[in-house]
Amino acid sequence: SAVISQKPSRDICQRGTSLTIQCQVDSQVTMMFWYRQQPGQSLTLIATANQGSEATYESGFVIDKFPISRPNLTFSTLTVSNMSPEDSSIYLCSVNRGVPEAFFGQGTRLTVV
Amino acid sequence: RKEVEQDPGPFNVPEGATVAFNCTYSNSASQSFFWYRQDCRKEPKLLMSVYSSGNEDGRFTAQLNRASQYISLLIRDSKLSDSATYLCVALSYQKVTFGTGTKLQVIP
Repeated sequence: SAVISQKPSRDICQRGTSLTIQCQVDSQVTMMFWYRQQPGQSLTLIATANQGSEATYESGFVIDKFPISRPNLTFSTLTVSNMSPEDSSIYLCSVNRGVPEAFFGQGTRLTVV
Repeated sequence: RKEVEQDPGPFNVPEGATVAFNCTYSNSASQSFFWYRQDCRKEPKLLMSVYSSGNEDGRFTAQLNRASQYISLLIRDSKLSDSATYLCVALSYQKVTFGTGTKLQVIP
């Protein structure tokens, strides 16, 4: 299994500000994934973060809004920029270490007011 | 059409009942399939993998039908602790796609 530490676990932010979410894995992984889960919805992949290269964003998500860093094989950050109430959601990081099972961080519950 | 589709429910069943969830997927290139469980305000956790030959784990049985592109999950003798949202997941080329989830509420 993989142990993933994600923080903050929750935050309430003012619109127009930015929040950076951190994800630390207990071992090296090639790819890390960032998901968003809006209220009552399933998980939507935002982007895939590879170490040493730019993140790959899914349709509907752009780097200016969700910049991602991946400085090493155990750590990644996702920033939600210029937030609006529509960004209120749960954000989750995930890894799958060469096996199909996906492991998730505990999630960051973001409320934008 | 969503890549992975599930009936969102909720399924309200009495304790001890048997309940079945189905899930369909549209990407024929999907390689692996899973059921995840997500409790309220928690992250998803793997419940079980799904194989064409069927996979049973205690009260849970998962089945894959590649020809029809659907996956099922059967829960026997439902417990109150089974109340959660069950997410159907398809994996292709390391991309994980989640269904919208089916909510189960087991009633005393």
